[in-house]
Amino acid sequence: AQSVAQPEDQVNVAEGNPLTVKCTYSVSGNPYLFWYVQYPNRGLQFLLKYITGDNLVKGSYGFEAEFNKSQTSFHLKKPSALVSDSALYFCAAISSGSARQLTFGSGTQLTVLP
Amino acid sequence: KAGVTQTPRYLIKTRGQQVTLSCSPISGHRSVSWYQQTPGQGLQFLFEYFSETQRNKGNFPGRFSGRQFSNSRSEMNVSTLELGDSALYLCASSLDASTRGVQFFGPGTRLTVL
Repeated sequence: AQSVAQPEDQVNVAEGNPLTVKCTYSVSGNPYLFWYVQYPNRGLQFLLKYITGDNLVKGSYGFEAEFNKSQTSFHLKKPSALVSDSALYFCAAISSGSARQLTFGSGTQLTVLP
Repeated sequence: KAGVTQTPRYLIKTRGQQVTLSCSPISGHRSVSWYQQTPGQGLQFLFEYFSETQRNKGNFPGRFSGRQFSNSRSEMNVSTLELGDSALYLCASSLDASTRGVQFFGPGTRLTVL
């Protein structure tokens, strides 16, 4: 069975500092990995995905994520956080060999302090 | 292009009633998936439709059903509502049924069961 873990419910960071939101996964076969962001009373917005190739993936709004196969991790990063980045972040995974349903982590609330 | 739209945005029902939620995918997208989001269980996959056929179903009781029309619009129905069905129901569309395809989410329908 697939699973995704986001070990931190809450991450606080000062504006201008780098941020990291952690994600680890467990899927059989080759994983496809995604990050989504959710603002209050909104749906999920796609940030970036890893399918294959370069382990460092660049996405929307200056976010990037690093795929590490040996550690089965896909951490979300941004060099300089903005107050407007404050939101709920979800990591999701799907196995290339499985039925097409996303398995989500429990979410991490990011708060960027001015 | 217009994004995924969901109607209604908010619903209040009482136990025992039934409800129908609607989702219009992004123009040209043929796959529609439904997810339930609750504080306790997080994001859980309900089902996926592609070309009017249900391709995959999550672990939900038979009270939850759906369908897809020839124009790719989808409806989800919940019969005999229970208090625990209170949730944000999210619809996601993607171009095709590829596992590597990005799913784009609508704003959701907030269902409250009293």
